[in-house]
Amino acid sequence: AQTVTQSQPEMSVQEAETVTLSCTYDTSESDYYLFWYKQPPSRQMILVIRQEAYKQQNATENRFSVNFQKAAKSFSLKISDSQLGDAAMYFCAYRSLNAGGTSYGKLTFGQGTILTVHP
Amino acid sequence: ETGVTQSPTHLIKTRGQQVTLRCSSQSGHNTVSWYQQALGQGPQFIFQYYREEENGRGNFPPRFSGLQFPNYSSELNVNALELDDSALYLCASSPGGSSYNSPLHFGNGTRLTVT
Repeated sequence: AQTVTQSQPEMSVQEAETVTLSCTYDTSESDYYLFWYKQPPSRQMILVIRQEAYKQQNATENRFSVNFQKAAKSFSLKISDSQLGDAAMYFCAYRSLNAGGTSYGKLTFGQGTILTVHP
Repeated sequence: ETGVTQSPTHLIKTRGQQVTLRCSSQSGHNTVSWYQQALGQGPQFIFQYYREEENGRGNFPPRFSGLQFPNYSSELNVNALELDDSALYLCASSPGGSSYNSPLHFGNGTRLTVT
């Protein structure tokens, strides 16, 4: 079974600064997907960024980028030019590709990191 | 495009009772999965429905059951409620098929409190 670990329960950043959230995972699989989701107080999980394990190039989405280190099983999220609206709980998640159709809807989540953005 | 909607928003039940939570999937999505999120924790996978059949289950007892309807909407039923069932229940939909790259689309959840 796969596990996902987020070792930072809370992080804070000044508006316009950069912050990095850490995530490590454990798996014996070679192909998988990794995701970062954001959960604001509205409770809805919102996709921030995704990474395919077979791609060496790190994914980027505007101010959000990842540092994917497959050998180290590390998947950190960097938020540049932080904005007040970035304040939320951030979850790292893993999706297996080896369980056939049964894995489409199954994500394994980490414990989350609460991000506070100071004006 | 209509997103994932869940009802009710909040619910209070007594230990031993039964509860039904509802979810309408995003248009065009035929796979629905349910998650339990305890306060301050990450969501835990309960099960997944694809074309009206359960085809994936997490480490939850049989008193957690579900249904998916022909329009791909879904219900989560929990029998014999326990205090530890108090949590946010999230529904998510996805296109299924070969869409591993497609992210899950989540609803706003149902907050269940068991007293």
